[in-house]
Amino acid sequence: KAGVTQTPRYLIKTRGQQVTLSCSPISGHRSVSWYQQTPGQGLQFLFEYFSETQRNKGNFPGRFSGRQFSNSRSEMNVSTLELGDSALYLCASSLGDRGPSTEAFFGQGTRLTVV
Amino acid sequence: AQTVTQSQPEMSVQEAETVTLSCTYDTSESDYYLFWYKQPPSRQMILVIRQEAYKQQNATENRFSVNFQKAAKSFSLKISDSQLGDAAMYFCAYRRGNTGTASKLTFGTGTRLQVML
Repeated sequence: KAGVTQTPRYLIKTRGQQVTLSCSPISGHRSVSWYQQTPGQGLQFLFEYFSETQRNKGNFPGRFSGRQFSNSRSEMNVSTLELGDSALYLCASSLGDRGPSTEAFFGQGTRLTVV
Repeated sequence: AQTVTQSQPEMSVQEAETVTLSCTYDTSESDYYLFWYKQPPSRQMILVIRQEAYKQQNATENRFSVNFQKAAKSFSLKISDSQLGDAAMYFCAYRRGNTGTASKLTFGTGTRLQVML
């Protein structure tokens, strides 16, 4: 069973540009969540998509957006990049049920550097 | 809002010895889950162990076990017979139960574990 796949693994962008990150969840998983990991702020929840709908959202500005496709693959977009957006972006997939057996499986992340 | 606190930024342990990582959390919810995740240098978060708040029995997974003290809101991880491959960042995480933002994981700041030969 293939794991969670995030592409690309590394990105370097310039301030003011926009970027799109991709996440392919485990087959059968309908929920995809995104997290930002930085040395200063730690791991912070960005948003979750379930069945093509945003189900939960963290406390991030509107420059951060996402979407989910019918095959459950998700993309995250950051517009007007700032230096502070440099981070490891982690994607997690799960069945989407809210019961005790719902475990989140993480991808290896996309390392975004804004210069 | 829920918060998770890991007060030990770094810990070290001798190979084959036992180490305990601490975690406390704050919540007003009664239905929730607690997790320990491991993040090795490869950066991939790997679930180590899970505890349901409604279960009194402490979870155990091979060499990993937890000490869950619900009243004290404490959730420590014990690693027995430590191995070199256990060296990693360890994150304690909280998730609400079956309501609202139940999919959101709230993480602590992490504890870096070094394993010495």
